[in-house]
Amino acid sequence: NAGVMQNPRHLVRRRGQEARLRCSPMKGHSHVYWYRQLPEEGLKFMVYLQKENIIDESGMPKERFSAEFPKEGPSILRIQQVVRGDSAAYFCASSPPTSGRGGELFFGEGSRLTVL
Amino acid sequence: GQNIDQPTEMTATEGAIVQINCTYQTSGFNGLFWYQQHAGEAPTFLSYNVLDGLEEKGRFSSFLSRSKGYSYLLLKELQMKDSASYLCAVRDRAGNMLTFGGGTRLMVKP
Repeated sequence: NAGVMQNPRHLVRRRGQEARLRCSPMKGHSHVYWYRQLPEEGLKFMVYLQKENIIDESGMPKERFSAEFPKEGPSILRIQQVVRGDSAAYFCASSPPTSGRGGELFFGEGSRLTVL
Repeated sequence: GQNIDQPTEMTATEGAIVQINCTYQTSGFNGLFWYQQHAGEAPTFLSYNVLDGLEEKGRFSSFLSRSKGYSYLLLKELQMKDSASYLCAVRDRAGNMLTFGGGTRLMVKP
């Protein structure tokens, strides 16, 4: 029973390049969340998606960042024209439909982006 | 919006008990979660409280008071492997998204 799978685990980009981070949720999970974590800090919410829908993107920077969760395939977090401040660990989490009941998020191992 | 506060760091001795506090101010509330995160690893679920009171699970217990906007995580019989960050998170009434506090780094010393 595979958990949340993220790739790449480590990614190095130069300023101005694009970064694409992928996340496959746990089997049976239809909700995906992306969080960013700077060193020694907590998790900051970025975006919440269901299949083919962005439910809440209130934590996403307005420019350069986008996310999708297509009908087929993994969720993708895309960062265009990366800058040094984008260097962080990006965690994906998934959950099943909870209908308002308790349902924890299951996290992937994270993708660590380093911008040179 | 959500505002979640927890101490930045704590130190405790192996075999002892430690309590990590979390206070929150939210526009809505639909449950409080505690996660453990070792350095460089994924956060892992520890506990969930939605009603007032204490939830016990082995060496770990979590308490919630909704009227006070307060929770704590209690770790008993501390082991060296308990050295990690402990993240308090609140889910709002609207949906499934969790808002996390800054985390508490716990160092367990021999």
